[in-house]
Amino acid sequence: AQSVTQLGSHVSVSEGALVLLRCNYSSSVPPYLFWYVQYPNQGLQLLLKYTTGATLVKGINGFEAEFKKSETSFHLTKPSAHMSDAAEYFCAVRPRGTSGSRLTFGEGTQLTVNP
Amino acid sequence: EPEVTQTPSHQVTQMGQEVILRCVPISNHLYFYWYRQILGQKVEFLVSFYNNEISEKSEIFDDQFSVERPDGSNFTLKIRSTKLEDSAMYFCASILQGAGETQYFGPGTRLLVL
Repeated sequence: AQSVTQLGSHVSVSEGALVLLRCNYSSSVPPYLFWYVQYPNQGLQLLLKYTTGATLVKGINGFEAEFKKSETSFHLTKPSAHMSDAAEYFCAVRPRGTSGSRLTFGEGTQLTVNP
Repeated sequence: EPEVTQTPSHQVTQMGQEVILRCVPISNHLYFYWYRQILGQKVEFLVSFYNNEISEKSEIFDDQFSVERPDGSNFTLKIRSTKLEDSAMYFCASILQGAGETQYFGPGTRLLVL
């Protein structure tokens, strides 16, 4: 069974600082990888995903993530944090080659941006 | 841009009562899902639905839960006899087809069981 680990349930950065949110997966075959963001009292919005091709993926709001097979990681980064980035971020995976299968989510990382 | 919608946004019910949570997936999508998120915890998969039948369900999805697509647009989750521990945010999601496709999530229904 696949699993996802997000290191750090809470991350706090200063406005303008680098954001790094960590995600590692456990799977014998690299899965499809997703990052979702959840703003307070809202649903889940896709930030970016990796399915195939270039391992550095760019998403919305200036976020990007790099798939590293050797490290089984898919860390999310943003060069310069903005106050509006404060939210909860979830890494999720889905097995390759299986239409319609479930997403498995990590525990989530709450990002706080300090002025 | 098409979106998944859910009603109601909030529901309060008494323990033992039945609730029905409603979702309208994106119109040309083929797979539908329910997930839940207990306050402060991660998002958990409940069930997926394809071609008018359940395609996968988790161990959480026991006999008190059921899903239905009563017409061409709605997708419902019924909880037959609610328990305190059913209090959570319930998300509906849909996908066009294909494992690499994005699951689009609705805004959620916050269920509180008293």
